[in-house]
Amino acid sequence: EADIYQTPRYLVIGTGKKITLECSQTMGHDKMYWYQQDPGMELHLIHYSYGVNSTEKGDLSSESTVSRIRTEHFPLTLESARPSHTSQYLCASSEGDNYGYTFGSGTRLTVV
Amino acid sequence: SQQGEEDPQALSIQEGENATMNCSYKTSINNLQWYRQNSGRGLVHLILIRSNEREKHSGRLRVTLDTSKKSSSLLITASRAADTASYFCATDSGGGGADGLTFGKGTHLIIQP
Repeated sequence: EADIYQTPRYLVIGTGKKITLECSQTMGHDKMYWYQQDPGMELHLIHYSYGVNSTEKGDLSSESTVSRIRTEHFPLTLESARPSHTSQYLCASSEGDNYGYTFGSGTRLTVV
Repeated sequence: SQQGEEDPQALSIQEGENATMNCSYKTSINNLQWYRQNSGRGLVHLILIRSNEREKHSGRLRVTLDTSKKSSSLLITASRAADTASYFCATDSGGGGADGLTFGKGTHLIIQP
């Protein structure tokens, strides 16, 4: 099915911990995105990248950071997790303008 | 800021009936896309319609776009139980500001057998 992979699928972690959510794609897409989605709600763009060494913040302010050292890999890091970070995080990639996005299965994060 | 707004928020129909969902948006767009999401998992791209197109078909899906009214509709014909999911419209404004699609809140579709 999808050629974009997110790990872990579920994560429960204590407040203050540092976490990294992994996202990898095998399609060679330059454009990659991270969205945050609360249950039953819309997706909000938190980070995006046009290619290697390119990262930008999205519309929704987020305390997370991202890196893009390799085309296929776009990890998201929270230095100090808080309960307000509890949400689903969805990674996506795109071939370019006027192409649809391919989404990973998401990481459901719970911070206790 | 929210760009797309789906209507209705929830829709329940019998299997075999047609389902229609609507999406309105606020600013000019380069294209509009529809996605399906099952049980809070990742989204699946269904169809993309460009701003200079008025209608597009893909299997049992039919999408229309009216840029003068800033609205789009998704029609699923001959619905099946497997069509039960949330459907999102997303707009691509095509440059300026943050890149990336802007999503609406979605329509939750339930197909009753």
